[in-house]
Amino acid sequence: DAGVTQSPTHLIKTRGQQVTLRCSPKSGHDTVSWYQQALGQGPQFIFQYYEEEERQRGNFPDRFSGHQFPNYSSELNVNALLLGDSALYLCASSSWNTEAFFGQGTRLTVV
Amino acid sequence: SQQGEEDPQALSIQEGENATMNCSYKTSINNLQWYRQNSGRGLVHLILIRSNEREKHSGRLRVTLDTSKKSSSLLITASRAADTASYFCAGTNFGNEKLTFGTGTRLTIIP
Repeated sequence: DAGVTQSPTHLIKTRGQQVTLRCSPKSGHDTVSWYQQALGQGPQFIFQYYEEEERQRGNFPDRFSGHQFPNYSSELNVNALLLGDSALYLCASSSWNTEAFFGQGTRLTVV
Repeated sequence: SQQGEEDPQALSIQEGENATMNCSYKTSINNLQWYRQNSGRGLVHLILIRSNEREKHSGRLRVTLDTSKKSSSLLITASRAADTASYFCAGTNFGNEKLTFGTGTRLTIIP
């Protein structure tokens, strides 16, 4: 079992560009959540996908969008990147009432 | 929200000693999870404790949960240098399964 895998591991983008991050959940999990973690802070919830629909959303602007595919994998898209979007982006997968497992994250740097 | 707030913010102990960190949360939960994060990497799931459990063990880890006080503690016995990391707690509830993290406890084990 490969666990939760995220790609890419590191990414450098320019302000105003768009970025797509990818996540494959742990085998048997059907729910994918995305988190943003700024340096020195705890992870902040962006949104959660279940059955290919956004089930919950945190306090993030519409520039942050996502998608879940029939195989439960997910993408996080961020448009019109700002310097403040530089962070570690974490994906977590789970099933109902089970542990949530995280991937190693994608380090996004916006310059 | 099921916010997790960890205490203390930072803790330094000698290798071999025990480390205790605490977590408080604001609303009722169905389970609480503890995670470890090494610098700049993903969160590693340590243990999940359910609201009907008072104590749970996993190797050198012992977690307690007091739902009347809305608090939990994580004890790491016989600490090792490899335990140096940040530790986070987060609670979830049925129908609201996002994880809400505090800023974590930064644990440093001095060899």
